[in-house]
Amino acid sequence: EAQVTQNPRYLITVTGKKLTVTCSQNMNHEYMSWYRQDPGLGLRQIYYSMNVEVTDKGDVPEGYKVSRKEKRNFPLILESPSPNQTSLYFCASSLSRTGRHEQYFGPGTRLTVT
Amino acid sequence: QKEVEQDPGPLSVPEGAIVSLNCTYSNSAFQYFMWYRQYSRKGPELLMYTYSSGNKEDGRFTAQVDKSSKYISLFIRDSQPSDSATYLCAMSPGYSGGGADGLTFGKGTHLIIQP
Repeated sequence: EAQVTQNPRYLITVTGKKLTVTCSQNMNHEYMSWYRQDPGLGLRQIYYSMNVEVTDKGDVPEGYKVSRKEKRNFPLILESPSPNQTSLYFCASSLSRTGRHEQYFGPGTRLTVT
Repeated sequence: QKEVEQDPGPLSVPEGAIVSLNCTYSNSAFQYFMWYRQYSRKGPELLMYTYSSGNKEDGRFTAQVDKSSKYISLFIRDSQPSDSATYLCAMSPGYSGGGADGLTFGKGTHLIIQP
């Protein structure tokens, strides 16, 4: 089954404790991105990757890092999480950047930072 | 003025009714217009997309884009309780320029179909 998977689905952590949210897709997609969804603000892009070893900032990149060492994986790293990073996070992928209007989203990771 | 405006609802209609969901936008560079459906505790799921102006139909769903008015719509015919979800409009300029290039989403309309 074609899908985007994320782990963990739920995470509660404390301020300053480094964490990684994994994302993996099995569709051989080139383009992957991370979004956060907040009430009243909607979905906003954090980082994106056009292909292996090619990443760039989205609209709200502060406090996040990403890497793309393999085509299928695109982990999101929070080096020193803060309470304002409490949010619902989605990974998404599409065949290519020019095809990013057809993005497939993962199930989401709900992060709480205390 | 926000780039994409969408009424958050909730919009409650009886089963079988025709539903109309709408978004307005300000960026004339947008070329692709998408509708996503998001069930509670799930990720957004692409329903359909339209390139430039015009209509597109897929089963009970019809998407309309009026670029001159910067207005897009999604119509759902013969609405079912299973259509109850949050509907997100999204837009993209479609070019391959540099810089941030995520989809621009509306905040979503919460739709409730009453049995």
